[in-house]
Amino acid sequence: EAGVAQSPRYKIIEKRQSVAFWCNPISGHATLYWYQQILGQGPKLLIQFQNNGVVDDSQLPKDRFSAERLKGVDSTLKIQPAKLEDSAVYLCASSLGSSGANVLTFGAGSRLTVL
Amino acid sequence: AQKVTQAQTEISVVEKEDVTLDCVYETRDTTYYLFWYKQPPSGELVFLIRRNSFDEQNEISGRYSWNFQKSTSSFNFTITASQVVDSAVYFCALYSGAGSYQLTFGKGTKLSVIP
Repeated sequence: EAGVAQSPRYKIIEKRQSVAFWCNPISGHATLYWYQQILGQGPKLLIQFQNNGVVDDSQLPKDRFSAERLKGVDSTLKIQPAKLEDSAVYLCASSLGSSGANVLTFGAGSRLTVL
Repeated sequence: AQKVTQAQTEISVVEKEDVTLDCVYETRDTTYYLFWYKQPPSGELVFLIRRNSFDEQNEISGRYSWNFQKSTSSFNFTITASQVVDSAVYFCALYSGAGSYQLTFGKGTKLSVIP
């Protein structure tokens, strides 16, 4: 079974530039998550999709972050404009159900460095 | 509100030693789930175990064992006869469901196993 695919693995940008990350979840997983993991901390949920609808985006900084999952399969997370504090690893995960009790399958992450 | 505390930031052990990673959680809910995930240097979080609040039986899987004690709100993880491949960051996480789909992660414990 293919895992959760993410790209790019690494990205370096200047502050105020934009960046986009892509995620393709495990086939058949209806729920997709984007987490932000700052160095030395645990993952923090940014947004959760159930199919192509948003379940929870309460911690997404909506003035600069946006995410979509138009066809209920793959997803894109965008940051525009980036700030220094956005330097982090952006992890995508998927699960069969939407409850937090579900086991998550994570991708390898996209590491963003903002200079 | 729910909270997960992993007081050990970093632990180093010599190969073949036993090591215990501590996890203390806080929740007011009576129904909740606890998880352990492993994050090796490759970056991908890997699921290790899930327990629900009604099942206090300890679990053993090979060299791994988990001790769940509701009386002390702890869910500790022990690796017996550690190996270099166990070197990773280990995260404890909690889901308690009421009003939220979110999984709350601790800050992680970095385990280094020295040959």
